[in-house]
Amino acid sequence: DTEVTQTPKHLVMGMTNKKSLKCEQHMGHRAMYWYKQKAKKPPELMFVYSYEKLSINESVPSRFSPECPNSSLLNLHLHALQPEDSALYLCASSQVANEQFFGPGTRLTVL
Amino acid sequence: QQQVKQSPQSLIVQKGGIPIINCAYENTAFDYFPWYQQFPGKGPALLIAIRPDVSEKKEGRFTISFNKSAKQFSLHIMDSQPGDSATYFCAATTSVRGNQFYFGTGTSLTVIP
Repeated sequence: DTEVTQTPKHLVMGMTNKKSLKCEQHMGHRAMYWYKQKAKKPPELMFVYSYEKLSINESVPSRFSPECPNSSLLNLHLHALQPEDSALYLCASSQVANEQFFGPGTRLTVL
Repeated sequence: QQQVKQSPQSLIVQKGGIPIINCAYENTAFDYFPWYQQFPGKGPALLIAIRPDVSEKKEGRFTISFNKSAKQFSLHIMDSQPGDSATYFCAATTSVRGNQFYFGTGTSLTVIP
């Protein structure tokens, strides 16, 4: 299995909702990432987990809460989001430090 | 501060042409330079990558040229096809902080049939 999967593909939520994004990989990668991407912009790094421990948090607001239950799974819990948080949320994974493989993303719309 | 500068912002070529996308960086600690291709609504896909110990790398119709002294690298797409129409991002990172990619701003490529 050489891919990163993400669910759901699309998510619409209100500002008071709580939802979660899920990411899974079965490539044996030990680093996993969450990125946020706005239209026509490059991906912006949010969080990095290395060996299931949070190693990088790019000053992301607390309404985004990551979780790494095991080496294959990565979740992003969402609560009290704002309309400006609407974006494509990308998960990626890597074995060594350099080659990152991205999932298809979750298109999030906050109403 | 933009760690990696990418140009042009957009590019239109005829089928069979050779679009060239350029990136420049300042941090001499960067030692891994990947290129990603992204179609609308999809995640970026790793196309090709280079390390500074070589000046050129080819994979199929895609070639990276690397100029270490000028701190520049570029992507060439040979015999471009309409299916190559996508957004291309260059990136750079260091072996020490290999988890942190610095992306260029992206180039939207359109290949006209």
